[in-house]
Amino acid sequence: DIQMTQSPSSLSASVGDRVTITCRASQAITNGLAWYQQKPGKAPKLLVFAASRLKSGVPSRFSGSGSGTDYTLTISSLQPEDFATYYCQQYYTTPVITFGGGTKVEIK
Amino acid sequence: EEQLLESGGGLVQPGGSLRLSCAASGFTFIDYAMNWVRQAPGKGLEWVSSISGSGGRTYYADSVKGRFTISRDNSKSMLYLQMNNLRADDTAVFYCVKGVHPAANYLDVWGQGTLVTVSS
Repeated sequence: DIQMTQSPSSLSASVGDRVTITCRASQAITNGLAWYQQKPGKAPKLLVFAASRLKSGVPSRFSGSGSGTDYTLTISSLQPEDFATYYCQQYYTTPVITFGGGTKVEIK
Repeated sequence: EEQLLESGGGLVQPGGSLRLSCAASGFTFIDYAMNWVRQAPGKGLEWVSSISGSGGRTYYADSVKGRFTISRDNSKSMLYLQMNNLRADDTAVFYCVKGVHPAANYLDVWGQGTLVTVSS
């Protein structure tokens, strides 16, 4: 099974900050990676798929990048509504999928 | 609008059974693989099971294999999860989730979730 390791597990940032979250796969996943945002008490929402493709309607301050085993989600200028928990998910082994442990973005 | 609505959660004793249901609307149900994903209280997301559009192929996480059964009724646009021999560590919110493509199982539509609590 492919393991997904996210870092950091949490971070504190201010509005306007640039934030980067990292996800490392235990083997190469050939850009089969998605990112989700989850707010407390709500279901996750898809942000990015194929490592770097933004879902329609997602603000352009979100971006994804990476290749091989290492991927990043970047928020270029953190907004109040971005405080949430973010998860990566590999789908290289579709339909069997794996999530990262999550990164909680909190207000500094 | 694509929507998923789960039901069937509740409190069950260890060793008991529960059947979750998910009603889909707003898309051609048979065209998409469907998934169950769960989240234990205060924890991360865990994929539980997937089923192909036709229902002919099913897949399970090792943690539930042999205890849970996923199924679907395409005539009713319904997804199900039969859970047997439940354990305390199965306590979680269970989400019904639509897969985007048979060859790329990332998840674009989520239900609101239904809470399953396993406790005596």
